[in-house]
Amino acid sequence: DTGVSQNPRHKITKRGQNVTFRCDPISEHNRLYWYRQTLGQGPEFLTYFQNEAQLEKSRLLSDRFSAERPKGSFSTLEIQRTEQGDSAMYLCASSYGTAEQFFGPGTRLTVL
Amino acid sequence: LAKTTQPISMDSYEGQEVNITCSHNNIATNDYITWYQQFPSQGPRFIIQGYKTKVTNEVASLFIPADRKSSTLSLPRVSLSDTAVYYCLVGDAVTGGFKTIFGAGTRLFVKA
Repeated sequence: DTGVSQNPRHKITKRGQNVTFRCDPISEHNRLYWYRQTLGQGPEFLTYFQNEAQLEKSRLLSDRFSAERPKGSFSTLEIQRTEQGDSAMYLCASSYGTAEQFFGPGTRLTVL
Repeated sequence: LAKTTQPISMDSYEGQEVNITCSHNNIATNDYITWYQQFPSQGPRFIIQGYKTKVTNEVASLFIPADRKSSTLSLPRVSLSDTAVYYCLVGDAVTGGFKTIFGAGTRLFVKA
């Protein structure tokens, strides 16, 4: 197992377009987390899954954001009608229960 | 979740011991203290976690006084590659619903 992977690593899009990111967690991990990180700030929690159930969502996750983890393995994060304020690094992490979280390399989104 | 306060930045020289202190006055009984390290363009990496007294691993030591209102991450004999942002987090890692709240972190600069 090579750890948490995220695709794509970079995404440039125009304002108003939809984008989708994928996260593949460590295989035996049942929890998966999404974070957003802007320059100079620490990661901000967006949402997390336990298996396929989405258990918590931050107020940062507006109606334009949706996350899924259909089979309790990989997860997708979709942003609809992107805005320039959505430009950030989107990080995925996974854990086994409440143990330490392992982070992926992130997807850097730039909205023009 | 308890709020944490850390210095914004610290400078050190190669070979020195670095101690980064984090304040968490409102820490709850079930809260653990966790430290992560983040390099540019990478996701955070778990360093160490503790509940009380002292924890040591191959990378760092974590000192937690009896009142648990602060903690100190100790990095022995730092090298240039330890230049990174270090985050102190406090959260309930025992019960369900654990989520990670990052602050702005401490930017450590190690000089030759």
